[in-house]
Amino acid sequence: NAGVTQTPKFRILKIGQSMTLQCTQDMNHNYMYWYRQDPGMGLKLIYYSVGAGITDKGEVPNGYNVSRSTTEDFPLRLELAAPSQTSVYFCASSLYTGELFFGEGSRLTVL
Amino acid sequence: KQEVTQIPAALSVPEGENLVLNCSFTDSAIYNLQWFRQDPGKGLTSLLLIQSSQREQTSGRLNASLDKSSGRSTLYIAASQPGDSATYLCAVHISNFGNEKLTFGTGTRLTIIP
Repeated sequence: NAGVTQTPKFRILKIGQSMTLQCTQDMNHNYMYWYRQDPGMGLKLIYYSVGAGITDKGEVPNGYNVSRSTTEDFPLRLELAAPSQTSVYFCASSLYTGELFFGEGSRLTVL
Repeated sequence: KQEVTQIPAALSVPEGENLVLNCSFTDSAIYNLQWFRQDPGKGLTSLLLIQSSQREQTSGRLNASLDKSSGRSTLYIAASQPGDSATYLCAVHISNFGNEKLTFGTGTRLTIIP
């Protein structure tokens, strides 16, 4: 049982480059989330989705985009990377508002 | 705006002791509260989920309580072990017609001293 899988685990970007963080879950969860975690700052919600075709902004959406074309996948797109986007990104999923399951994280550095 | 606070930020206790971790939140209109542990360089692992209608949940040596009226939750760890060393985070969930708000505390870093 894979749970929530994120790729890549590590990535270094140059300022202005773009990339997509992939997230897939095999638990048939309808709710999916993207968080970023910065040292001493806790987790901040970037975007979330309550089902395929439905996405909404979280607390810190600027500089990011998401899509949810299937139940399983919830990719996070970074456009024009900036040093402020250096962080650890976590994808999570849940069945409605139930227990939240997290991926292992993607560590992104923007230089 | 919901704010979640965990004090202390770090805690060290000798092995075998019982301990309590604290979580405070400002808006009592929560849907549920969840406790997680995070090991260094890893994702978060769910420990306990308490629905707003519940007062406590237990799993093994862990017991979480919820007092909505006072905006507090505690995580009790009995007979602590070195393997319990990790960062513990709480998160409160507000759900309003598909508008999902899950707010995390900044965590308590727990070290169990052998």
